[in-house]
Amino acid sequence: DTAVSQTPKYLVTQMGNDKSIKCEQNLGHDTMYWYKQDSKKFLKIMFSYNNKELIINETVPNRFSPKSPDKAHLNLHINSLELGDSAVYFCASSQGISGRGGQYFGPGTRLLVL
Amino acid sequence: TQLLEQSPQFLSIQEGENLTVYCNSSSVFSSLQWYRQEPGEGPVLLVTVVTGGEVKKLKRLTFQFGDARKDSSLHITAAQPGDTGHYLCAGDTGTASKLTFGTGTRLQVTL
Repeated sequence: DTAVSQTPKYLVTQMGNDKSIKCEQNLGHDTMYWYKQDSKKFLKIMFSYNNKELIINETVPNRFSPKSPDKAHLNLHINSLELGDSAVYFCASSQGISGRGGQYFGPGTRLLVL
Repeated sequence: TQLLEQSPQFLSIQEGENLTVYCNSSSVFSSLQWYRQEPGEGPVLLVTVVTGGEVKKLKRLTFQFGDARKDSSLHITAAQPGDTGHYLCAGDTGTASKLTFGTGTRLQVTL
């Protein structure tokens, strides 16, 4: 019954490693997002895909590379992890690109870079 | 860059009290959404307001969109411990699927 799911829920890794986070939604939505939430709980958009096409890329370092194999999946690969990448990463989805219908969030992936 | 400032940042009240959370910006939004986030989970959509001056009620929660569509408020009547959480407003500028989230308000309701 999970609408938006993310794996893993927790990720602890060393600086310099490469890691991936997976996201899947079963809501039939055509737009998916990645957000980063910092320690002060501020939520910032990173990427947005509509029908597998990138439509938002918010000045994110190119160490972060999203990939959307189909409308239901949006994965995030991070190269050469840095201490500052530690945060909670949320995947979300919505129907359409207007933003008006609201977004549905996954449970988050807590990334800690040591 | 649009900024959405929420106030207060943190609010601790007792069960039964009323409270209001404000969400302010200098930018005009096509719509404004309110989310609640509980510890360890993602934000959950509570409501979307679209028309300037619009008021929506969700049980004890009342949401209002400012006439100029630059600000919004969330009023909770007779708060309960179950209202505890992190409240976020988010503005939709009409630009392809981009939501700008507010700075957040952490609410704690104690018995």
